[in-house]
Amino acid sequence: GDSVTQTEGLVTLTEGLPVMLNCTYQTAYSTFLFWYVQHLNEAPKLLLKSSTDNKRTEHQGFHATLHKSSSSFHLQKSSAQLSDSALYYCALRGTQVVGQLTFGSGTRLQVYA
Amino acid sequence: GGIITQTPKFLIGQEGQKLTLKCQQNFNHDTMYWYRQDSGKGLRLIYYSITENDLQKGDLSEGYDASREKKSSFSLTVTSAQKNEMAVFLCASSPGTDQAPLFGEGTRLSVL
Repeated sequence: GDSVTQTEGLVTLTEGLPVMLNCTYQTAYSTFLFWYVQHLNEAPKLLLKSSTDNKRTEHQGFHATLHKSSSSFHLQKSSAQLSDSALYYCALRGTQVVGQLTFGSGTRLQVYA
Repeated sequence: GGIITQTPKFLIGQEGQKLTLKCQQNFNHDTMYWYRQDSGKGLRLIYYSITENDLQKGDLSEGYDASREKKSSFSLTVTSAQKNEMAVFLCASSPGTDQAPLFGEGTRLSVL
């Protein structure tokens, strides 16, 4: 079946430094990849989505590029802000099971001043 | 704009109790989902529904029932609460099965 791997459970860094959160996936089918962000006591919100190989997608200062050759969809930002502190989920729609998203285990990003 | 409303926000139950969580959306979305969120385990799909009166099991459906009697509402029942269980249950909806779902703020469950 489909799977999503987020290797870091917690990423801590100082404000102004670059952010990179890893996401790799496995699926035998066509893919849609998503990044969701969840701030404390709030609903997860869609941050980025992509289904196009090697095309950079950007939103709210974050960007990611889907690389089907390496099955990756890493989330990046050039300069972290305190308000970026949140839980980030990578998710896959592999189209094998209609309607189902497979989520990674999540990465908590903590940005310090 | 639309909203997804989950009730209650907090739910405390007793071991063995049957507990019902409710979700309402006014987006007029066809597809609705129930996910369970546990720390370090991501979001795991319990049930989803692609239209009124439709039910599809997710990977985590054992121990749960669901009901979609109206397009706008989707209920989840914990059939027998497990002692010391703590989790957040997230409801979501999307216009169709190929769009990213929007999430509600969750129901936080604690079982004594």
